[in-house]
Amino acid sequence: KAGVTQTPRYLIKTRGQQVTLSCSPISGHRSVSWYQQTPGQGLQFLFEYFSETQRNKGNFPGRFSGRQFSNSRSEMNVSTLELGDSALYLCASSLGPASTNYGYTFGSGTRLTVV
Amino acid sequence: QKEVEQNSGPLSVPEGAIASLNCTYSDRGSQSFFWYRQYSGKSPELIMSIYSNGDKEDGRFTAQLNKASQYVSLLIRDSQPSDSATYLCAVPILTGGGNKLTFGTGTQLKVEL
Repeated sequence: KAGVTQTPRYLIKTRGQQVTLSCSPISGHRSVSWYQQTPGQGLQFLFEYFSETQRNKGNFPGRFSGRQFSNSRSEMNVSTLELGDSALYLCASSLGPASTNYGYTFGSGTRLTVV
Repeated sequence: QKEVEQNSGPLSVPEGAIASLNCTYSDRGSQSFFWYRQYSGKSPELIMSIYSNGDKEDGRFTAQLNKASQYVSLLIRDSQPSDSATYLCAVPILTGGGNKLTFGTGTQLKVEL
């Protein structure tokens, strides 16, 4: 059974550019959540999607956006990149949203560096 | 109060000892509790989940839950150097927008030979 697949694994972007990250959940999982991980802040919640609907959104500026497709694959987009956006972006898939008490399985992450 | 709180450590224990990791949470309505292990440079891996008050054992790992005290812990028996990692506590916390699985900042565990 394939795990959670995130692409790309590494990205280097320049300030002001935009970036799109992709996540394919485990087959049969309909919930996808995104987290930003930095050494100082730990895992910070970005969004949760379930059946193509955004269920919840974290405290991030509007430059961060996401969506989920009918096959449960998800993308997140960051526009007008800032140096502080440099982080590991993790996608997690689950059978159901956070309210349904299923555990999450994480992908390997996308390491974004903004220069 | 932080929504999910853990001591950052590092917690150092000798090989073969019991490591005890603790976590408190803010939402009295939370019904599920998770422990993740994260090795340096890797993504978090789910190792334990617990839903009812009391203890849940899985091999060398025991999760303990006390909802009245809003406290969950993870015990690792017969600690091995391979257990050296950061352990993250995760709890669904109800916010204005709905539930979000919220992580503590993690406790770094070092098992010494």
